Amino acid sequence: GAVVSQHPSRVICKSGTSVKIECRSLDFQATTMFWYRQFPKQSLMLMATSNEGSKATYEQGVEKDKFLINHASLTLSTLTVTSAHPEDSSFYICSARHQFSNQPQHFGDGTRLSIL
Amino acid sequence: GENVEQHPSTLSVQEGDSAVIKCTYSDSASNYFPWYKQELGKRPQLIIDIRSNVGEKKDQRIAVTLNKTAKHFSLHITETQPEDSAVYFCAARTSYNFNKFYFGSGTKLNVKP
Repeated sequence: GAVVSQHPSRVICKSGTSVKIECRSLDFQATTMFWYRQFPKQSLMLMATSNEGSKATYEQGVEKDKFLINHASLTLSTLTVTSAHPEDSSFYICSARHQFSNQPQHFGDGTRLSIL
Repeated sequence: GENVEQHPSTLSVQEGDSAVIKCTYSDSASNYFPWYKQELGKRPQLIIDIRSNVGEKKDQRIAVTLNKTAKHFSLHITETQPEDSAVYFCAARTSYNFNKFYFGSGTKLNVKP
């Protein structure tokens, strides 16, 4: 089945640090990847849609200068949380969809980000 | 846009009993409905999905039903086991935007041994 790898799985850092999270599709090409944020005991909140070779599409209320997304290849998208603060602490999950549009999304393992 | 509502938020059943989780959607253009299972601190995993051209789909102990007229779909788990304990999310995707999945709020299922 489709495999999506996300790294790192856990990050603990000081306030003001920028953190980069990688999302890779290991056995398929993903023209589109998605970044979600999940608060404890809550559902997945779509932050942005990452499009290979073009700018990401951000959901309303998500600061694009705060959450930088780069999708440079068909298998890799990165999310950089710039100048992270404690309120940015959360579980971030990426997902990828096969280039054929009728396929489901497959999720990475998630990254637990803790800002001290 | 689409709005997906999911009930109940928590569900406790005895091992061996059946569990049913229900979702409703608002956009009649939605045509794909996946269900995900998420264990604590782990990734959501696709367990079953259904497209709008069928009314029911079954995979061993798991089944999903879809009522397009009423705009609701349900997940049925029979002969529940403790390892079925997790949070379950339904989702819907419209025919005009393959990129956007609208997730329900989740159901925490607890199967008591």
